[in-house]
Amino acid sequence: GDSVTQMEGPVTLSEEAFLTINCTYTATGYPSLFWYVQYPGEGLQLLLKATKADDKGSNKGFEATYRKETTSFHLEKGSVQVSDSAVYFCALVSTNTGNQFYFGTGTSLTVIP
Amino acid sequence: NAGVTQTPKFQVLKTGQSMTLQCAQDMNHEYMSWYRQDPGMGLRLIHYSVGAGITDQGEVPNGYNVSRSTTEDFPLRLLSAAPSQTSVYFCASNTLGRETQYFGPGTRLLVL
Repeated sequence: GDSVTQMEGPVTLSEEAFLTINCTYTATGYPSLFWYVQYPGEGLQLLLKATKADDKGSNKGFEATYRKETTSFHLEKGSVQVSDSAVYFCALVSTNTGNQFYFGTGTSLTVIP
Repeated sequence: NAGVTQTPKFQVLKTGQSMTLQCAQDMNHEYMSWYRQDPGMGLRLIHYSVGAGITDQGEVPNGYNVSRSTTEDFPLRLLSAAPSQTSVYFCASNTLGRETQYFGPGTRLLVL
């Protein structure tokens, strides 16, 4: 079945460091891929998405490219800030999943000044 | 638009009590779902609905009931609360197709 595997955390970085959070997926249909962010005490918010192979989603300095050949959707940011401290979830929905989303287990990021 | 709203924000129950978690959305989304979030386990789907009058089970449905009488509302009922149901519950909605899912702020439930 469809699934998402993402990098285990927690991740701790210094401000202005480069961030990569790995995400790979398994899908039987044609998935759309998402990164969601959850700030402490809040619900999940869409960070970025990509709907087809080679698409790049971007928002707030974060980027992720839909790689069909490696079934990956890694999240990157060139220079993290303290305000980026949050939990990040990779997710997919596929033509074969009937609108059901599949989420990774989440990666906690802490950015220290 | 208010988006997805959930009430209450926090609730304490005793074992065996019942309660209803409310969820509403004002975006005319067909698809609504309930998740629970537990440490180290990510989000697990409890129940979902593809439209008024249509519901189905997700990954962890035991101990929960849902109904969908209107497009806007999708309440989650705990029939007889157990400590294992201590969790944070999120409601979400989206249009049909491979579209963005929008989340409510969550309900924190503690069962003693």
